[in-house]
Amino acid sequence: GAVVSQHPSRVICKSGTSVKIECRSLDFQATTMFWYRQFPKKSLMLMATSNEGSKATYEQGVEKDKFLINHASLTLSTLTVTSAHPEDSSFYICSARDSGIGGSYEQYFGPGTRLTVT
Amino acid sequence: GESVGLHLPTLSVQEGDNSIINCAYSNSASDYFIWYKQESGKGPQFIIDIRSNMDKRQGQRVTVLLNKTVKHLSLQIAATQPGDSAVYFCAESYAGNNRKLIWGLGTSLAVNP
Repeated sequence: GAVVSQHPSRVICKSGTSVKIECRSLDFQATTMFWYRQFPKKSLMLMATSNEGSKATYEQGVEKDKFLINHASLTLSTLTVTSAHPEDSSFYICSARDSGIGGSYEQYFGPGTRLTVT
Repeated sequence: GESVGLHLPTLSVQEGDNSIINCAYSNSASDYFIWYKQESGKGPQFIIDIRSNMDKRQGQRVTVLLNKTVKHLSLQIAATQPGDSAVYFCAESYAGNNRKLIWGLGTSLAVNP
């Protein structure tokens, strides 16, 4: 149980185009999902907290118009990297918190999406 | 083998030895702590967690120790196996920030056969 999927697992796009990454909780509902970015040999950096039915909360320094987040259902959040540039190339990871378990703090992580912008 | 997190980001041990990975956490308000394992190109995998009302918790081959006095967390892996080779992250959270995870810098564990 508590499986989170991401799609696609890898994507290569050209500079200036937009890319959408999906994060799904497969066997539980998640009112809260998180989006992270990770550079090689570095820790995870929280980009934003995605709340179902409301606007995402972005961390300081993360451009909300650049990284569009939509959490339209209890099992799906999407991250769209708009007008991508080579510096947006990174490993993007989502996580989801199970809304159904009272008092549970655990986040379940997706397998990540490798974005390469050429 | 033992690491000191920030100062020794790489820990190399022999197969069968016990490993100790250390983490100094930052916030005295944190009351929930987690260890994650991350293999190359994959997302973090939950290993074990502990709440601040405990100082020790054991899982299968893993033990987490929490010392709130000095804000220190450790992960002990018994009889380390080649499959344990990965980067290990500690993370902390507290209720006041929507339970966002605050991540440590990570320690790379290399198990030599």
